[in-house]
Amino acid sequence: QKEVEQDPGPLSVPEGAIVSLNCTYSNSAFQYFMWYRQYSRKGPELLMYTYSSGNKEDGRFTAQVDKSSKYISLFIRDSQPSDSATYLCAMSRLTQGGSEKLVFGKGTKLTVNP
Amino acid sequence: AAGVIQSPRHLIKEKRETATLKCYPIPRHDTVYWYQQGPGQDPQFLISFYEKMQSDKGSIPDRFSAQQFSDYHSELNMSSLELGDSALYFCASNREGGSSYEQYFGPGTRLTVT
Repeated sequence: QKEVEQDPGPLSVPEGAIVSLNCTYSNSAFQYFMWYRQYSRKGPELLMYTYSSGNKEDGRFTAQVDKSSKYISLFIRDSQPSDSATYLCAMSRLTQGGSEKLVFGKGTKLTVNP
Repeated sequence: AAGVIQSPRHLIKEKRETATLKCYPIPRHDTVYWYQQGPGQDPQFLISFYEKMQSDKGSIPDRFSAQQFSDYHSELNMSSLELGDSALYFCASNREGGSSYEQYFGPGTRLTVT
């Protein structure tokens, strides 16, 4: 079983829709929970990060973490065509060497249609 | 603001050839991470360096080696290339003591092995 599971989609929604992206994880040692946006042929770009259970809002984006269920979500309100990208969840944990390691989900490809 | 620079952006090699990928971190960032992202896959951590020393090792094949130089740039050397090495290779950088969510990714080098 992979440490982080994410439905790859693809997900296609009309402009203005609310988008819900989700990941589950199996390792309770994860500390930080991130969402990255990756446009085609570009590197991942950090959108949001959270540390504890609960919600964190930034503009049209809300990140939600439920540590008891090992489940994280990213909500996008009033989605725009420019939001079309692949969204990767990522989580970090300490390695045996004491450094932080990022573990990514497979990414969900989102298309917002005008 | 300056970002992570990777070169080349695209590279085509034949089987059994060698390739060298370069990464120039954000100024004053002293930690470099290398990731491999196969088609439709999540980025997989390969190796990281802090202050020119290897700090952590992930799923990096023995055919690959990497180092970080005195100016903090890093090079990933890949020998005896195989078709399965075709992927997008990302470099990310971070500052000392920075958390995992503070990793900034470069645009990637797309390696195609024919």
